Amino acid sequence: DAGVTQSPTHLIKTRGQQVTLRCSPKSGHDTVSWYQQALGQGPQFIFQYYEEEERQRGNFPDRFSGHQFPNYSSELNVNALLLGDSALYLCASSHSRSYSEQFFGPGTRLTVL
Amino acid sequence: AQTVTQSQPEMSVQEAETVTLSCTYDTSESDYYLFWYKQPPSRQMILVIRQEAYKQQNATENRFSVNFQKAAKSFSLKISDSQLGDAAMYFCAYRTVNTNAGKSTFGDGTTLTVKP
Repeated sequence: DAGVTQSPTHLIKTRGQQVTLRCSPKSGHDTVSWYQQALGQGPQFIFQYYEEEERQRGNFPDRFSGHQFPNYSSELNVNALLLGDSALYLCASSHSRSYSEQFFGPGTRLTVL
Repeated sequence: AQTVTQSQPEMSVQEAETVTLSCTYDTSESDYYLFWYKQPPSRQMILVIRQEAYKQQNATENRFSVNFQKAAKSFSLKISDSQLGDAAMYFCAYRTVNTNAGKSTFGDGTTLTVKP
């Protein structure tokens, strides 16, 4: 079992560009959540996907959007990048029948210049 | 909205000693989950221990145990026989049991240093 995987590991973009981050959940999991972790802070919830739909959303602007595919993998898209979007983006997967366990991926480090 | 507060930005412990990390939270719910996660420099968020609010017994996982005080909304982590590999950022997190909400709310973390 590969656990939760994310790609790419690191990414450097410039202001105004768009970026797509990818996540594959742990085998058997059907729910994917995305978090933004700024340096020195705890992760902040962006949104959650289940059955290919956004089910819950945190306090993030519409520039942040996502998608879930039939195989449960997910993408996080960020448009019109700002310097403040520089952070570690974490993907977490869980099963809809039990949210007591949530497994995290290694994250994607996004740097916006 | 739920909030999680970790009042100790940094903690230090001597190898083989015991250290306690503090966490308080605020919620109006009666049932929920509480977690401690470890995040080493490798960035991988690793689950250390989990507590279900309806269980009065404190959770224990080997050298890690919690002191869960529901009325006080306090959830501290005790690490016994500290090892060099325990050095990391530790996050306390809250999650509702509502099956429509897999959102976790995290504190800002405590950086633990282990001195040889």
